Amino acid sequence: EAGVAQSPRYKIIEKRQSVAFWCNPISGHATLYWYQQILGQGPKLLIQFQNNGVVDDSQLPKDRFSAERLKGVDSTLKIQPAKLEDSAVYLCASSLARRNEQFFGPGTRLTVL
Amino acid sequence: AQTVTQSQPEMSVQEAETVTLSCTYDTSESDYYLFWYKQPPSRQMILVIRQEAYKQQNATENRFSVNFQKAAKSFSLKISDSQLGDAAMYFCAYRSAGPHSGSARQLTFGSGTQLTVLP
Repeated sequence: EAGVAQSPRYKIIEKRQSVAFWCNPISGHATLYWYQQILGQGPKLLIQFQNNGVVDDSQLPKDRFSAERLKGVDSTLKIQPAKLEDSAVYLCASSLARRNEQFFGPGTRLTVL
Repeated sequence: AQTVTQSQPEMSVQEAETVTLSCTYDTSESDYYLFWYKQPPSRQMILVIRQEAYKQQNATENRFSVNFQKAAKSFSLKISDSQLGDAAMYFCAYRSAGPHSGSARQLTFGSGTQLTVLP
């Protein structure tokens, strides 16, 4: 079974630029999560989807971050405009349902200069 | 809100020896799950072991076992016969198991312990 796919693996941008990350969850997984992991910290949930609906986005900085999950499969996370403090690894995870184990992708390392 | 604390930023162990990583958590709930995740340099989080709070028996997975002390809100991970491949960042995590929706089901992570295995 294929795992959670993410791209790109690395991205370097200037502050105030825009960036987008892509995630393809495990086939059949209804729940999809985006986490932000700042260096030296544990991952922090940004947004959680159940199929194509948002379950929880309470920790998403909505003035600059947006996410969508069209057709309940792939998802994109966008930052516009980026700030220096957005430098982090962005992890995508998926699970069959909210009560099930989460499987993580390899993450995207974002550096904002 | 639940919090998870890992007080050991770094640990080291000799190959084939045993090491214990510590984790404490704070919650007012009685029904929850606890997890240990491993994150190697590849960055991919891998589930090592999980414990349901209602189970008194400590979980084990091959060389990995936990010491779950519910009253003390402590959840340590023991790695026996350490191998070079065990070197990674280890995260303790908490998740509510109650009949909630939304954020109550999210994983709350500690800050991690970097484990080095010495040959």
